[in-house]
Amino acid sequence: SQQGEEDPQALSIQEGENATMNCSYKTSINNLQWYRQNSGRGLVHLILIRSNEREKHSGRLRVTLDTSKKSSSLLITASRAADTASYFCATDAPGANSKLTFGKGITLSVRP
Amino acid sequence: DTEVTQTPKHLVMGMTNKKSLKCEQHMGHRAMYWYKQKAKKPPELMFVYSYEKLSINESVPSRFSPECPNSSLLNLHLHALQPEDSALYLCASSFGTHNEQFFGPGTRLTVL
Repeated sequence: SQQGEEDPQALSIQEGENATMNCSYKTSINNLQWYRQNSGRGLVHLILIRSNEREKHSGRLRVTLDTSKKSSSLLITASRAADTASYFCATDAPGANSKLTFGKGITLSVRP
Repeated sequence: DTEVTQTPKHLVMGMTNKKSLKCEQHMGHRAMYWYKQKAKKPPELMFVYSYEKLSINESVPSRFSPECPNSSLLNLHLHALQPEDSALYLCASSFGTHNEQFFGPGTRLTVL
């Protein structure tokens, strides 16, 4: 079953605005990760937040994690046209043979 | 060297052909992955190798055969594929199976 579910599915904003994307998941996690994918290319890891962390920053990115609500949010501040891409949350479950399970993804369009 | 390389970038094959996809990383990662991604969908895990041993096979049809000759290389052998196997095939690697994954650019496969 799909572990991560992002919302909205598509987001269109003006350059300079902030973009907030949400992810919900169903079972316990080891960590939650966010990835970006430009059209037809490989995924790029953005940020990893562990289950015992609540907030993490990396440049213009801010990620929060609420394990009680089983949800995470990714905030991109001062967006740029180059941020246009698909964004996926992915959850890593505990266990030796765990795997990363990706959500359906959010398509972000940043208008110049 | 901090990248994952994949060859070829594009591959067109007939249903009776045998071909191989190759993936290479020199970051000392001990986990390597194959994913399949259809258009506008998230990546779907196919195989995980941990310390050169197959640790996860997501019930992938036998027409896909993975191979890990050494800790830096990962192959995916293809035989008797179907048109519905056309997709972007992504390779990834990580230090361990609970760490962020580094993705290659993918091989765009078309089966005629």
